[in-house]
Amino acid sequence: AQSVTQLGSHVSVSEGALVLLRCNYSSSVPPYLFWYVQYPNQGLQLLLKYTTGATLVKGINGFEAEFKKSETSFHLTKPSAHMSDAAEYFCAVSPANSGYALNFGKGTSLLVTP
Amino acid sequence: KAGVTQTPRYLIKTRGQQVTLSCSPISGHRSVSWYQQTPGQGLQFLFEYFSETQRNKGNFPGRFSGRQFSNSRSEMNVSTLELGDSALYLCASSPTSSSSYNEQFFGPGTRLTVL
Repeated sequence: AQSVTQLGSHVSVSEGALVLLRCNYSSSVPPYLFWYVQYPNQGLQLLLKYTTGATLVKGINGFEAEFKKSETSFHLTKPSAHMSDAAEYFCAVSPANSGYALNFGKGTSLLVTP
Repeated sequence: KAGVTQTPRYLIKTRGQQVTLSCSPISGHRSVSWYQQTPGQGLQFLFEYFSETQRNKGNFPGRFSGRQFSNSRSEMNVSTLELGDSALYLCASSPTSSSSYNEQFFGPGTRLTVL
């Protein structure tokens, strides 16, 4: 079974600093990978996804992630944090051609301080 | 286009009761998935329906069931509620008609509290 590990349940950064949220996956075959964001009392919003092709994926709100097969990682980055980026972030994996069963990581809560 | 809607948004039940949650997907979307979100277990996949058929199922007991109607609206039912069923239940819809991945659009969720 495929699984996802998010390192750090809480990450704190200063406004304007680099955001780095870590995600590692375990899979015997190349999976599809995703990052979602959840604001309080809301559902999940897709930030970006990797299925095939270019390993550097750009998403919404200035976020990007790089698929590194050799490291089984899919870390999320943003060059400069905004206060509005404070939220819960989830990494998810789906086996290719599995339909829509997503396996989510435990989530990382991002705090942005002034 | 209207997003995924879930009703009700909040629900309080007592142990032993049953509950039905509703999800209306984005117009034209034929796949509906359900997830349970709890502080302890995180987000867990319940099941996915496509064209009124359950296509995928997560590792949940038989007390959790679902169905999809011809208009793609979906319901999930939990019978004999337990305290541990307290959670945010999220519904997601997707437009694809094939088995390959397509983006899932999530609703705001139904917050179920079991007393």
